[in-house]
Amino acid sequence: GAVVSQHPSRVICKSGTSVKIECRSLDFQATTMFWYRQFPKQSLMLMATSNEGSKATYEQGVEKDKFLINHASLTLSTLTVTSAHPEDSSFYICSARQDLGEQYFGPGTRLTVT
Amino acid sequence: AQTVTQSQPEMSVQEAETVTLSCTYDTSESDYYLFWYKQPPSRQMILVIRQEAYKQQNATENRFSVNFQKAAKSFSLKISDSQLGDAAMYFCAYIDPPPTGGSEKLVFGKGMKLTVNP
Repeated sequence: GAVVSQHPSRVICKSGTSVKIECRSLDFQATTMFWYRQFPKQSLMLMATSNEGSKATYEQGVEKDKFLINHASLTLSTLTVTSAHPEDSSFYICSARQDLGEQYFGPGTRLTVT
Repeated sequence: AQTVTQSQPEMSVQEAETVTLSCTYDTSESDYYLFWYKQPPSRQMILVIRQEAYKQQNATENRFSVNFQKAAKSFSLKISDSQLGDAAMYFCAYIDPPPTGGSEKLVFGKGMKLTVNP
């Protein structure tokens, strides 16, 4: 149980285009989902927290107009990187939490912007 | 704000030996949770062990155990009988227990790379 999936696992896009990453909780309802960014050999940096049906809460320094987060259902959250640039290339990880329980992590998405 | 410190960026251990990973944290809360996560080369974050601060007994999970020193704000992970599959990045993490006035966000340390030598 408690499986979180992400799609795609890898994506390459051209500079200036937008890319959407999906995060799904497969066997539980996720009232809260979290999006992290991880640079090589570094720790996870929380980008935003999203609760189902409400606007995401972004961490300081994260551009909310660039990283659009939607949590439209209890099993799906999406992160859209708009007008992507090479500096947005990174590993993006989501996690999901049911009510007040533990966080379960997705396998991550490697984004490369050329 | 809560902080988590892992002062050793890398460690190595011989297969079948024991290794201890250190972690310290800073908080003004009296109740909270601490975690050790493992991130192998696949980069999937895997929960290794969890400790509730109100519990005095140290958590154990098979070959993994912790030494939780609340007063010292120390939370070390001991891996016994190290196996090649234990090679990974290990992250120590902290969270306030919900519902509280806290942020309820996981706060991660910088991580430590563990190498297991055959």
